[in-house]
Amino acid sequence: GAGVSQSPSNKVTEKGKDVELRCDPISGHTALYWYRQSLGQGLEFLIYFQGNSAPDKSGLPSDRFSAERTGGSVSTLTIQRTQQEDSAVYLCASSFSRGDTQYFGPGTRLTVL
Amino acid sequence: AQSVTQLGSHVSVSEGALVLLRCNYSSSVPPYLFWYVQYPNQGLQLLLKYTTGATLVKGINGFEAEFKKSETSFHLTKPSAHMSDAAEYFCAVSATGGYQKVTFGTGTKLQVIP
Repeated sequence: GAGVSQSPSNKVTEKGKDVELRCDPISGHTALYWYRQSLGQGLEFLIYFQGNSAPDKSGLPSDRFSAERTGGSVSTLTIQRTQQEDSAVYLCASSFSRGDTQYFGPGTRLTVL
Repeated sequence: AQSVTQLGSHVSVSEGALVLLRCNYSSSVPPYLFWYVQYPNQGLQLLLKYTTGATLVKGINGFEAEFKKSETSFHLTKPSAHMSDAAEYFCAVSATGGYQKVTFGTGTKLQVIP
């Protein structure tokens, strides 16, 4: 089947605006992860979903960041009142179950002007 | 707690030469270990993983890695570099058993010189 898809692929926004990033995991994958990849910073874990619940939100950098998952499938990462330091590539990954190999989407490149 | 250290943010090799990308990990419990590759403007792709059993793990594109518990290492090797191997490589670790957060290293960019 299809891999993990993310939309949009690129997003340019103005400082202070809200943005929503979408992730469609592989069908049947119960676990879903969000990461942030900043230039020269490697991958930073943001949040993990098992089904529709998020047992690990420890990586969310501030209360401007939130995420939800509905129907055990699609997930949305929302960043409110964006700041320039939020500029990064946001990667989503899914796995069949917790602890299994993660399959990554192509990412959303967010640029905050 | 767990962590990963990748030695060398940039590595250059000549085409046909040995590729060696170093990864050391820290984990308080037996680890799962992974190598991912990221080609320009693409997402991460799993190269190989170690969970249990044989310590020498073979992956795609001719890469392999050996889990050495005594050295807490999981170095990635390939006998002969191809131009198409130019990419960024990430080592990652998670703890065994149920959900455990995967911790990624900061990545090593591999340049292959013709």
